[in-house]
Amino acid sequence: QSVLTQPPSVSGAPGQRVTISCSGSSSNIGSSYVYWYQQLPGTAPKLLIYRNRQRPSGVPDRFSGSISGTSASLAISGLRSEDEADYYCAAWDDRLTGVFGGGTRLSVL
Amino acid sequence: QLRLQESGPGMVKPSETLSLTCNVSGDSISGSSSLWGWVRKSPGKGLEWIGSVYSSGVVYYNPSLNSRVSMSVDTSKNQFSLNLQSMTAADTAIYYCARHREYGGLFLDYWGQGTLVTASS
Repeated sequence: QSVLTQPPSVSGAPGQRVTISCSGSSSNIGSSYVYWYQQLPGTAPKLLIYRNRQRPSGVPDRFSGSISGTSASLAISGLRSEDEADYYCAAWDDRLTGVFGGGTRLSVL
Repeated sequence: QLRLQESGPGMVKPSETLSLTCNVSGDSISGSSSLWGWVRKSPGKGLEWIGSVYSSGVVYYNPSLNSRVSMSVDTSKNQFSLNLQSMTAADTAIYYCARHREYGGLFLDYWGQGTLVTASS
């Protein structure tokens, strides 16, 4: 059982907008930045969002992050087939450890 | 361009120690203010942060693995290493090394391609 809670799966049609939620607590999301990672099949994870809502160079602005209290969300607009992947939220916990969500598999219908 | 590459055995016997090395190119470990970390993904499970190390040797480990894990840095070779003792089948996973930009956040901006390690006799 992961410290951060994500839905196991979400889906959407091409062009649509989907959101992936990440629920934590005051000891992690409530007190540190949230990060999002995308893992395409057979590849290493890739940093998608850092410090709650910042995008690394090269990440399209179709991807956006937000945070409210002890929960965070990743929104993907203009869904494309190449967005089909596993998405993980991550944060630092007061127990001095990094924690990941269980991951959400995005299916593009 | 920063590149990280893991190396080590693809198979380890149960109860033995796993040793992995991550070679870094495109940046100097000793000149960097970043940490250098390890993350694994077990079959059917999500990502798990194992721990991170500064070039000074200061380390931070996941409490769930703290008793079995150790990490070190070799600045002369620009590489860092992971040792995981008492391997079991539950440690079978793809192990990734990554640059960990800052302590206090799980900010992992560059990753190696990963290496599959199987614990089996």
